[in-house]
Amino acid sequence: QQQVKQSPQSLIVQKGGISIINCAYENTAFDYFPWYQQFPGKGPALLIAIRPDVSEKKEGRFTISFNKSAKQFSLHIMDSQPGDSATYFCAASMSSGYSTLTFGKGTMLLVSP
Amino acid sequence: DTAVSQTPKYLVTQMGNDKSIKCEQNLGHDTMYWYKQDSKKFLKIMFSYNNKELIINETVPNRFSPKSPDKAHLNLHINSLELGDSAVYFCASSQVDSYSPLHFGNGTRLTVT
Repeated sequence: QQQVKQSPQSLIVQKGGISIINCAYENTAFDYFPWYQQFPGKGPALLIAIRPDVSEKKEGRFTISFNKSAKQFSLHIMDSQPGDSATYFCAASMSSGYSTLTFGKGTMLLVSP
Repeated sequence: DTAVSQTPKYLVTQMGNDKSIKCEQNLGHDTMYWYKQDSKKFLKIMFSYNNKELIINETVPNRFSPKSPDKAHLNLHINSLELGDSAVYFCASSQVDSYSPLHFGNGTRLTVT
């Protein structure tokens, strides 16, 4: 299974700060890159996703930056809030054939008040 | 209405027992999945079903047997439970479209003693 490498493993950010989580992938056939957010006791839920035809996608305080040549993508959370404290997973998949998501190992984000 | 529901939420059992986890989705999706999340939060796909047909069967011991009576249900039966089976098991569903988001249930925490 192709890997998606995610860092950091954990992150502490002060309220109002910027949280940045990075991911790198190996398979150049990947063409869909979602981020999932998971709160304790809940299943992961789609937060935001990007396809490689754009370099950036923004939804509210959440932005994905995508660098196709470097095979890297990152999640930026602007004005981080305590309610953003959760585990974040990057993932990747291929649109051709039948492909399931390959998840990164997750980043536990704690936003301190 | 809960979109993807799985039961039970908690399951505590002894080694050697057989147990089942049930999953139902009311989203009209044609693809369902089982994921395993270990103590380090790593999400790993176990099985994928499309319209009741097994599509993906990752390297999972054959003690694990999924059953899909119809496309809205995907149950997981586990024989001869082992300590290493302790984890959170998530059911998910999506449309077959590769860009369709996964909708996860809230997980079943299995503890084998």
